[in-house]
Amino acid sequence: NAGVTQTPKFQVLKTGQSMTLQCAQDMNHEYMSWYRQDPGMGLRLIHYSVGAGITDQGEVPNGYNVSRSTTEDFPLRLLSAAPSQTSVYFCASSYAGWGDTEAFFGQGTRLTVV
Amino acid sequence: GNSVTQMEGPVTLSEEAFLTINCTYTATGYPSLFWYVQYPGEGLQLLLKATKADDKGSNKGFEATYRKETTSFHLEKGSVQVSDSAVYFCALTPPYGGSQGNLIFGKGTKLSVKP
Repeated sequence: NAGVTQTPKFQVLKTGQSMTLQCAQDMNHEYMSWYRQDPGMGLRLIHYSVGAGITDQGEVPNGYNVSRSTTEDFPLRLLSAAPSQTSVYFCASSYAGWGDTEAFFGQGTRLTVV
Repeated sequence: GNSVTQMEGPVTLSEEAFLTINCTYTATGYPSLFWYVQYPGEGLQLLLKATKADDKGSNKGFEATYRKETTSFHLEKGSVQVSDSAVYFCALTPPYGGSQGNLIFGKGTKLSVKP
């Protein structure tokens, strides 16, 4: 059981470049989320999805796009990278986004924008 | 709205010392409460949880009690080990779905345990 798989683990981008962070889960979870982790800020929600074809913005959505064409995959796109997007990105999935359901996290993608 | 406040770190303890990490929350209704732990270089993983008032979550020697009257969920361990060195996050989920679904995290507390 692989759980939540994120790729790549490390990435360096130049300002203005675009890229897609991949996230896949094999637990048939409806809820998937993307967070960014910055020192002193904890984890902040970027975008989330409550099921295939349904996405919504979180606390810090600007500069990021998402789509959810299948239950398993939830890619995060940076359209034009900026140094302010240097961060560690975590994808998470859960059976539901409320109540006592446990969230499962990927190992993260460390992104540096120069 | 919903929010979580936890004590600022870093916290440095000697092995076998007693640990308390304070966490308080603001929420509508009765949220579920969690402690997640992040070991160096890894993603977050669930440490323990509690879903209603006066519930006690426990795991790996850690405990936390859901206190509705003080809106708190403090993490405790009687004797920490070097292997407990990690970042600890307090979090909540609302009791219902909707636009406020998903985990809401505190800022995290880094714990370092010295031998």
